[in-house]
Amino acid sequence: KQEVTQIPAALSVPEGENLVLNCSFTDSAIYNLQWFRQDPGKGLTSLLLIQSSQREQTSGRLNASLDKSSGRSTLYIAASQPGDSATYLCALYSGNTGKLIFGQGTTLQVKP
Amino acid sequence: GAGVSQSPRYKVAKRGQDVALRCDPISGHVSLFWYQQALGQGPEFLTYFQNEAQLDKSGLPSDRFFAERPEGSVSTLKIQRTQQEDSAVYLCASSPERAGGPVTDTQYFGPGTRLTVL
Repeated sequence: KQEVTQIPAALSVPEGENLVLNCSFTDSAIYNLQWFRQDPGKGLTSLLLIQSSQREQTSGRLNASLDKSSGRSTLYIAASQPGDSATYLCALYSGNTGKLIFGQGTTLQVKP
Repeated sequence: GAGVSQSPRYKVAKRGQDVALRCDPISGHVSLFWYQQALGQGPEFLTYFQNEAQLDKSGLPSDRFFAERPEGSVSTLKIQRTQQEDSAVYLCASSPERAGGPVTDTQYFGPGTRLTVL
């Protein structure tokens, strides 16, 4: 059974710091991996989707990498801002129906 | 354009009551997913529809949970005889094409319905 783990569970950093969020999974036979952001009381917003043939994706200050052989993905956030404060979730696409398997999330607080 | 909408946003039910949660996906989206998110946890898959066909219901926790999408657009998740452990946020997501396989469309999520069972 595929399991997804995110470390750390919570993180507090000062504004302007570069940071890395980690996601690991137990079964390397995955299709794709996606990073989401969730603000309190709101749904999930897609940040980056890495297709199975790709190793990384970039959008603005965000960069996500995927290493299927080692079962790891990282989300790099450059020059963090207070507006980046949220919970970040990684999720794997699994199976023939494309259902997502989520980690528990990393709650990020960026202090001004 | 309009995103995924869900109603009600909040629902309080007494234990034993039946509830119905509605999801309006993005117009024209083929795939529709329901997830359950307990407090402090990541969402967990409940069920998947491709148009009106329910192709995967492996995540439904018990036979008290039932989902339908009769015309391939709006979907309803029904929970019968609610229990306290059903308290969670229920998220709906849709994507443009049929799901599965090596190339994947992004899933677009609604704001969720927070269900509290007293």
